[in-house]
Amino acid sequence: AQSVSQHNHHVILSEAASLELGCNYSYGGTVNLFWYVQYPGQHLQLLLKYFSGDPLVKGIKGFEAEFIKSKFSFNLRKPSVQWSDTAEYFCAVIPTDSWGKLQFGAGTQVVVTP
Amino acid sequence: EAGVAQSPRYKIIEKRQSVAFWCNPISGHATLYWYQQILGQGPKLLIQFQNNGVVDDSQLPKDRFSAERLKGVDSTLKIQPAKLEDSAVYLCASSLGGRRQETQYFGPGTRLLVL
Repeated sequence: AQSVSQHNHHVILSEAASLELGCNYSYGGTVNLFWYVQYPGQHLQLLLKYFSGDPLVKGIKGFEAEFIKSKFSFNLRKPSVQWSDTAEYFCAVIPTDSWGKLQFGAGTQVVVTP
Repeated sequence: EAGVAQSPRYKIIEKRQSVAFWCNPISGHATLYWYQQILGQGPKLLIQFQNNGVVDDSQLPKDRFSAERLKGVDSTLKIQPAKLEDSAVYLCASSLGGRRQETQYFGPGTRLLVL
């Protein structure tokens, strides 16, 4: 079955630490890839997206993600996190043979301690 | 620019009762989505509208769930009768034209608890 897997359900780290969240998908064809974020009490919002071209994508708030086709992965990174990065992060894909149906992973809850 | 609006924000009902959720997308957005997010899981698409037509409802439990988007703007999602396993957050999202590259903008969600 087609799926999106996020490696960690919960991550706790200190301010200024580096963050990397893993995401793997199991679609055989071409996909479009997304990371969404939900800050406490806020709506789900887009962090970054990849469709084609440079596999290293930069998003808002200093986040970036790298698409590695051979590994079916789209990992999210931030070199130095802040307390305000505390949120839940969702990886999602849309197969290119799909109209607009986002398939989400289960999410990773990230807590940044001061 | 106003975002996606949803109401109510919270709803508690007993099993076998019915419930309805309302969504008003961003003005000018042709595509509207309803997602169900069960605790501990990512959102799952229930139904996608393009204007007032259904594009994808393959994961909508049609024996109890129904949705409509009259006049291609607001949408209503209904559950009748509700089951315990319907307890979840129901998210509405919209996008400009429904193409894969477009950003989907999400509303605050309606948190449903079925007792």
